[in-house]
Amino acid sequence: EAGVVQSPRYKIIEKKQPVAFWCNPISGHNTLYWYRQNLGQGPELLIRYENEEAVDDSQLPKDRFSAERLKGVDSTLKIQPAELGDSAVYLCASSRDRSRDNEQFFGPGTRLTVL
Amino acid sequence: AQKITQTQPGMFVQEKEAVTLDCTYDTSDQSYGLFWYKQPSSGEMIFLIYQGSYDEQNATEGRYSLNFQKARKSANLVISASQLGDSAMYFCAMREALYNQGGKLIFGQGTELSVKP
Repeated sequence: EAGVVQSPRYKIIEKKQPVAFWCNPISGHNTLYWYRQNLGQGPELLIRYENEEAVDDSQLPKDRFSAERLKGVDSTLKIQPAELGDSAVYLCASSRDRSRDNEQFFGPGTRLTVL
Repeated sequence: AQKITQTQPGMFVQEKEAVTLDCTYDTSDQSYGLFWYKQPSSGEMIFLIYQGSYDEQNATEGRYSLNFQKARKSANLVISASQLGDSAMYFCAMREALYNQGGKLIFGQGTELSVKP
């Protein structure tokens, strides 16, 4: 089966510019996650979707970050305006409901550099 | 608060030897899951192994095994017969509420493993 697809793989923008990341989860996976991974650290959850509903967005900086998952499949994460501190790798992951080991499958990530 | 601690920023191992990567966790819950992921330089997080808090046997997946010591709150990853392709960052992660199918993962800082030929 195809894995989690993310685009773009790399993005370089100037501060105050907007940016958007796209994620297509594994077919049939109802749960979708966006994580941010700063350099030298482990990923941290930004938002989790169950189908089209955002069920955990407590870590999402809502003043500049937004996300959507229309129709419960693809998802887009947006930053507007971007700040220098937003430079990181943004990882998308998906999981299948009721899977025994609750494995989350990760995409390759989008590496964002804000200048 | 839940926390994962990986105290080894970097590790070296000779090819074909075994290596243990340390992980300790902190949680007040009785029900939780522990995961190890591998992250090569390409950036993708690759699932390696899972241990549930109520599992009585230590998890094994091929060359990977998880040394689960519940009383010590440790979940060390053992890689047997190291290969050059094992060189990568390794992350320990925890998810609370074992049967909460969509719970977030809390990751440690990671350990960078380098396998020497």
